[in-house]
Amino acid sequence: AQKITQTQPGMFVQEKEAVTLDCTYDTSDQSYGLFWYKQPSSGEMIFLIYQGSYDEQNATEGRYSLNFQKARKSANLVISASQLGDSAMYFCAMRGPNTDKLIFGTGTRLQVFP
Amino acid sequence: DVKVTQSSRYLVKRTGEKVFLECVQDMDHENMFWYRQDPGLGLRLIYFSYDVKMKEKGDIPEGYSVSREKKERFSLILESASTNQTSMYLCASRTRRQGGTGELFFGEGSRLTVL
Repeated sequence: AQKITQTQPGMFVQEKEAVTLDCTYDTSDQSYGLFWYKQPSSGEMIFLIYQGSYDEQNATEGRYSLNFQKARKSANLVISASQLGDSAMYFCAMRGPNTDKLIFGTGTRLQVFP
Repeated sequence: DVKVTQSSRYLVKRTGEKVFLECVQDMDHENMFWYRQDPGLGLRLIYFSYDVKMKEKGDIPEGYSVSREKKERFSLILESASTNQTSMYLCASRTRRQGGTGELFFGEGSRLTVL
């Protein structure tokens, strides 16, 4: 069975610093996709970044990058130069092959302070 | 702009009531999903649909049913609401077309309180 684990319930970071949010996954599939979503206090889920299991390079989207370590089954989100608006819940998710379902981790609440 | 719209942001219902949560997407997406979100548990899949009139159980379908009569609309039904169904409900959709990341697009959520 597939599983996503986020071990950090909460994280603090100072504005302009970088922060890493951890995500490990468990799957026996060779083909899968990994996603990160942001959920601000307003509640909407915002897609941030995607990494395919066969992608050789780590995905990047602006200040977001995904540190993909396939052998360790980890897909950590790195946010560079944190901003106050980055304060939110962050969810890691995975989709396996031949399925339409995304399974989510329990989330990490990030708080950015001045 | 792509849009997933949930009919109610906040609902308060009584135990035993029948509850309908409606979701509409305007992106012609094949797949639609219902998740519930609870603190410390993340998002858990209730049901999803990959086509009109087609549905599949997710991880926690007990106490829920769904309906998809039209491609753009996916309804979640609580036949007899119970207090343990108090939660945030999130609807999402995605395309099955090749190319792209296939990410989910979410609605704003419906916070249901069952008294």
